[in-house]
Amino acid sequence: DTGVSQDPRHKITKRGQNVTFRCDPISEHNRLYWYRQTLGQGPEFLTYFQNEAQLEKSRLLSDRFSAERPKGSFSTLEIQRTEQGDSAMYLCASSSYRDTNYGYTFGSGTRLTVV
Amino acid sequence: RKEVEQDPGPFNVPEGATVAFNCTYSNSASQSFFWYRQDCRKEPKLLMSVYSSGNEDGRFTAQLNRASQYISLLIRDSKLSDSATYLCVPNTGNQFYFGTGTSLTVIP
Repeated sequence: DTGVSQDPRHKITKRGQNVTFRCDPISEHNRLYWYRQTLGQGPEFLTYFQNEAQLEKSRLLSDRFSAERPKGSFSTLEIQRTEQGDSAMYLCASSSYRDTNYGYTFGSGTRLTVV
Repeated sequence: RKEVEQDPGPFNVPEGATVAFNCTYSNSASQSFFWYRQDCRKEPKLLMSVYSSGNEDGRFTAQLNRASQYISLLIRDSKLSDSATYLCVPNTGNQFYFGTGTSLTVIP
């Protein structure tokens, strides 16, 4: 499978716990994006990386959220001290810098439920 | 003003009908645009890219009006399988801002 893969597909956690999600982009894509989507809304931008550099972060990304892409390949998104409002689908996408005009390719997402 | 605004619908149309969605955007510097399709509880998938005045792919036609800053998507001869949410996305260069999407249900 050469698409974007995300793990886990589903995560249920208790409020206050920390969670970490992983994204493996398409191998030749050097840009990687994280989005969050809640029911009835479009995906909301969280952050993006070009190679290993985190170039932009949304104000939605509070200090409880941190994302890394240490070797410019896979990325992790960690949420500390989860709150019920964090329940959402977390989408990862990747693109090639040279081919941004061709849009993103999304992974299947990680659905987080905070109870 | 929001980056992208779409009529959320829902649009309920009979099979075979023609339906059009509009999307307005605020960033006049946007050079290209995308329409994504999203099925319920699935990830968005790229439907069509628009770089100039428009694009056509089979039953789908996208038209861009830069002066008025809107882009439209026309679906002809609607199929049941077209039922989905359609997301409008202007490309501002570094990241994409998605609209809330327009919900389409094609009825037999």
